Amino acid sequence: EAQVTQNPRYLITVTGKKLTVTCSQNMNHEYMSWYRQDPGLGLRQIYYSMNVEVTDKGDVPEGYKVSRKEKRNFPLILESPSPNQTSLYFCASSTGQKNNSPLHFGNGTRLTVT
Amino acid sequence: AQSVSQHNHHVILSEAASLELGCNYSYGGTVNLFWYVQYPGQHLQLLLKYFSGDPLVKGIKGFEAEFIKSKFSFNLRKPSVQWSDTAEYFCAVTRNSGGYQKVTFGIGTKLQVIP
Repeated sequence: EAQVTQNPRYLITVTGKKLTVTCSQNMNHEYMSWYRQDPGLGLRQIYYSMNVEVTDKGDVPEGYKVSRKEKRNFPLILESPSPNQTSLYFCASSTGQKNNSPLHFGNGTRLTVT
Repeated sequence: AQSVSQHNHHVILSEAASLELGCNYSYGGTVNLFWYVQYPGQHLQLLLKYFSGDPLVKGIKGFEAEFIKSKFSFNLRKPSVQWSDTAEYFCAVTRNSGGYQKVTFGIGTKLQVIP
C-alpha cells in the first residue's frame, strides 16, 4: 500500500531534549516536505527536499533541521525543542516534478514540549 | 509572495444544506489548485485538483470546485452536505519554482454539519 509513515504519533518531551520525528514513503517520490499545523494558522512549511541530499528552508525553519540521505526517508530533527514548537506535524511527499502532482500526507505527529 | 485566502474559518450547516467555501489566491502566473480535506484526527487527503481544461472539476464524495481565473478563485461546493462531511478543508495553490512545485496552503475552514 502506498503510504507516508510518520513516527511517533504522539510525543511529549521537555525543553532542550533533542528529538527526531521519522518520515518514510514507499512511492519512490522525489519531493518530501514537513509542515506544522497550528490553530488559526493552517499548514506552514518547515523544510522541503527536492531529492536526495537536496534540502531547503520553507516558511518556518527556525529551530528545525532535516536530512535526506535516502530517497524514502526525511527525518525532522529538533535539536533543542522549546514550548513554541508544540504543534501537530505532518510529513508529505509527491513526485514533485509536475505542478499537478498532489501531496500524500502522513498521519501526523502531535508534539508537546513542556 | 504567493498567498491563499480562505474567507470562512468556521462554517456550521444543517444536513442537506448547500455548501460553498471560498478560496482566493494572489499569484498571477500559472498555478495549479487543490482542495484537501482533513477529517477529525486524520491526515489531509486530496479532495480534488485543477491544472487545466474544464474549470469545473469534480472530486470525491460529491464535491466540486470552479476555477475562475479572472477572480483568482477556486471555490469548493457541494449541493447537499452530510454529517460525515464534518471536517477541515484546505485550499492549496502550487506554482513552478526552480523546476518543482511551491505549495502554499490557506489557513483552513472548519465545517461542522449538524444532523
